[in-house]
Formats: sequence, C-alpha cells, structure tokens
Amino acid sequence: AQSVAQPEDQVNVAEGNPLTVKCTYSVSGNPYLFWYVQYPNRGLQFLLKYITGDNLVKGSYGFEAEFNKSQTSFHLKKPSALVSDSALYFCAVRDMSGGSQGNLIFGKGTKLSVKP
Amino acid sequence: DTEVTQTPKHLVMGMTNKKSLKCEQHMGHRAMYWYKQKAKKPPELMFVYSYEKLSINESVPSRFSPECPNSSLLNLHLHALQPEDSALYLCASSQEFKDYSNQPQHFGDGTRLSIL
Repeated sequence: AQSVAQPEDQVNVAEGNPLTVKCTYSVSGNPYLFWYVQYPNRGLQFLLKYITGDNLVKGSYGFEAEFNKSQTSFHLKKPSALVSDSALYFCAVRDMSGGSQGNLIFGKGTKLSVKP
Repeated sequence: DTEVTQTPKHLVMGMTNKKSLKCEQHMGHRAMYWYKQKAKKPPELMFVYSYEKLSINESVPSRFSPECPNSSLLNLHLHALQPEDSALYLCASSQEFKDYSNQPQHFGDGTRLSIL
C-alpha cells in the first residue's frame, strides 16, 4: 500500500534560519509527490511537486524540496524562514494503484512555527 | 486568491435541517473533489467527479449527497447530519482525475460546518 509519513508534528524555527519539514514515502513504482500548505481558515495551497527529472524542485514562496530515491524522502526546505511561513504543511503522494488512481494520499501534517 | 470558490464560508445547522454546499471553478478542470477535514488533520476524500460523473464514493454516509450539475459546479447536499459531521469541507479541482501529467489539485477555502 502507498503511504506518506511526516515524522514531526511540529517544527519550530527562528526567523531567518533555514527550515526543513520532513516527508518519507512508500510506493510501488515511481512516486508522484506534492507539498501543500494550509494557513489558518484557508484551504490547501499547492507549493511544489516532483514527477521526474531534477531531484531539487523549486516552488512557490521560496520553498524547495529535495527528492531522494534511496532514502525515499521528499523533504521541504527554505533557506531563510519568515514568520509568515507559519502554517500547516502536508506532503502527499499520488495513488497510482487500481481504482484509486488519481487520489492524493496525505501525510498527517506538520505544523511549522517561525518565531521572530 | 483561490480559483476554486466555495459558499457559504460558514454554516450552522440543526440535525434535522437540509442545506447545500456549493463549489465553483472556471479553470476548465474536468475532475472535482469533496474532502472533509477535521482540525489539524489531513483532508479525507469523500467523492470524486470526473467529467460530471461520480467516479469515487469513499463509503460516505447517505446523509451526504453530491451533485455535479455541470463541469464548473459541484454541490454537496446535507440532510440529517450528526454532530460528528462538524468539520471543514473542502472542494478541489484538477485537470483530469487520472491525470498522467500530474497537475496538482486546486483547493477552495472550504465551508466550516457546525452541527448543533
């Protein structure tokens, strides 16, 4: 079965410091991976995706993610955190199995808190 | 600004009421989704429509009834809901459901539903 794990419930970072939000996956075949962000009282906003090609993917708001096939990871990164980055972050993998093909399988989410 | 519009933003209803949630997108997407999200949890898929036909029903109770009147609109009809149905209901759309180009899903800001 395909799955996504976000091992940290919360990540705390000081403003200006680099941030990493971790995600590991388990899929059969090639993974199609996504990161979404959810601000309070808002829906999910797409940040970036990995389908194929370069292992370093650049996305919105200065975020990037590194795909590592050997470690089955897709960690979200930003060189310098902003207080406004504080939000709930979801990693997701595209379900490519049988009748569910096309569904997104979400991780449990990681709350990012950036302090001034 | 989100490209998927959901109305109303908030809804309070009694367990015997009938109400409807509405979702609209004008991106030409042919797949539309309903999700249920509890606080600080990932979204849970409820229904998927592909080309205005119901493709997936994730064993959702019959008190939730989806409808897709045309390619731009998605409704969720509610009747005799239970207190545990209180949640954020998110609508999303994507180019296609079984989308081999793997374009992301676009989410609305949701309807926050409270059942008294």
